[in-house]
Amino acid sequence: AQSVSQHNHHVILSEAASLELGCNYSYGGTVNLFWYVQYPGQHLQLLLKYFSGDPLVKGIKGFEAEFIKSKFSFNLRKPSVQWSDTAEYFCAVNENPRGSGGYNKLIFGAGTRLAVHP
Amino acid sequence: GAVVSQHPSRVICKSGTSVKIECRSLDFQATTMFWYRQFPKKSLMLMATSNEGSKATYEQGVEKDKFLINHASLTLSTLTVTSAHPEDSSFYICSARKTDRGLWNTEAFFGQGTRLTVV
Repeated sequence: AQSVSQHNHHVILSEAASLELGCNYSYGGTVNLFWYVQYPGQHLQLLLKYFSGDPLVKGIKGFEAEFIKSKFSFNLRKPSVQWSDTAEYFCAVNENPRGSGGYNKLIFGAGTRLAVHP
Repeated sequence: GAVVSQHPSRVICKSGTSVKIECRSLDFQATTMFWYRQFPKKSLMLMATSNEGSKATYEQGVEKDKFLINHASLTLSTLTVTSAHPEDSSFYICSARKTDRGLWNTEAFFGQGTRLTVV
């Protein structure tokens, strides 16, 4: 079965520091990749997504992610974090979409809790 | 973006009773919806895929008689936790995608979640 690994469970940064959150997946076929963010008390929101094309994907709020197929990775980056980026970040991958009859299951990583201090 | 509404946001029930959670896609049709369970400090665990007009597809280890899923229309899926016990206390989240079967490259939209506490 496919799996998604997020290497950092907790990250603490000061404002203006650079951020990189790791995400690796195990599926060997064609994938869709996503980063979702969950702010305290709110529902999951899409930060960015990769379907095809340019492997460097720009998302909302200054986030970007790079898909490196050879490394099965989709790391999330932000050059300068803000206090308002404090949230939990989830990497997700589409699992075997055609083989599952198009049911489009998303498999999530364990999440990374980011705390940004002023 | 599309809106997915989940109701109720919080529910407390007595052990042995059943609880129904609704998930609605407000401005789009969703032939497929997904139900997740989020454990404290852990990731979202996919419980089942809800298919409009047919039976839900459950993930391994999820009791289908315990977690009843009904997808009665293109905008509504319900999850009923039957004979709830304290270990069923959790955060349940639904998700819907703007997609027809066979089209897989679309994003998922999430409901705000339901915090279930069984006492």
